[in-house]
Amino acid sequence: DVVMTQSPLSLPVTLGQPASISCRSSQSLVHSDGHTYLNWFHQRPGQSPRRLFYKVSNRDSGVPDRFSASGSGTDFTLKISWVEAEDVGVYYCMQGAHWPLTFGGGTKVEIK
Amino acid sequence: QVQLQESGPGLVKPSETLSLTCTVSGYSISSGYYWGWMRQPPGKGLEWIGSIYHSGSTYYNPSLKSRVTISADTSKNEFSLKLSSVTAADTAVYYCTRDQGYWGQGTLVTVSS
Repeated sequence: DVVMTQSPLSLPVTLGQPASISCRSSQSLVHSDGHTYLNWFHQRPGQSPRRLFYKVSNRDSGVPDRFSASGSGTDFTLKISWVEAEDVGVYYCMQGAHWPLTFGGGTKVEIK
Repeated sequence: QVQLQESGPGLVKPSETLSLTCTVSGYSISSGYYWGWMRQPPGKGLEWIGSIYHSGSTYYNPSLKSRVTISADTSKNEFSLKLSSVTAADTAVYYCTRDQGYWGQGTLVTVSS
């Protein structure tokens, strides 16, 4: 199985300040079709996860521009240019290049 | 718009079979995409259980494969999850998804006698 490793586990941030989350995979997420299948999700307490990005950097509908995602191969990053109160919760990366699909352990973002 | 809704018993006894159904509206499950099941134990992270492609092909997490069956009923536009021989470790919120872009609200299933 592909192991997804996120860091940090916890990320206290000040409102208005930037934040960055790293996700590394144990093997390349480049599929045989040439696409890289790495998704990012945000989950608020008591809610279902919401996908933010698919195939590394494709933003889902309604995701604010302050969010960006990048990376390639085995190394990926989610960035928030400035954190707002609604951004708290847990962020997960997930790979879809290899069966079984696997998630990172999550990064909890909280306001200082 | 696409909506998914899980349904099924919230309490299952140990050793019995957990059965959940996901009813889809706004899109025909036979038209495309992978339709899947995820779960999240209380206070923990997300785990993929398995998926069914619109063609009917199924894919399961090897860690659960011997106990999982996912099937689809295109006439009702729904797909289902069966997990046999459950234990307390299967207590979780179960979500159905469309290619992870759309999620149901989730349903808590507790395994307890």
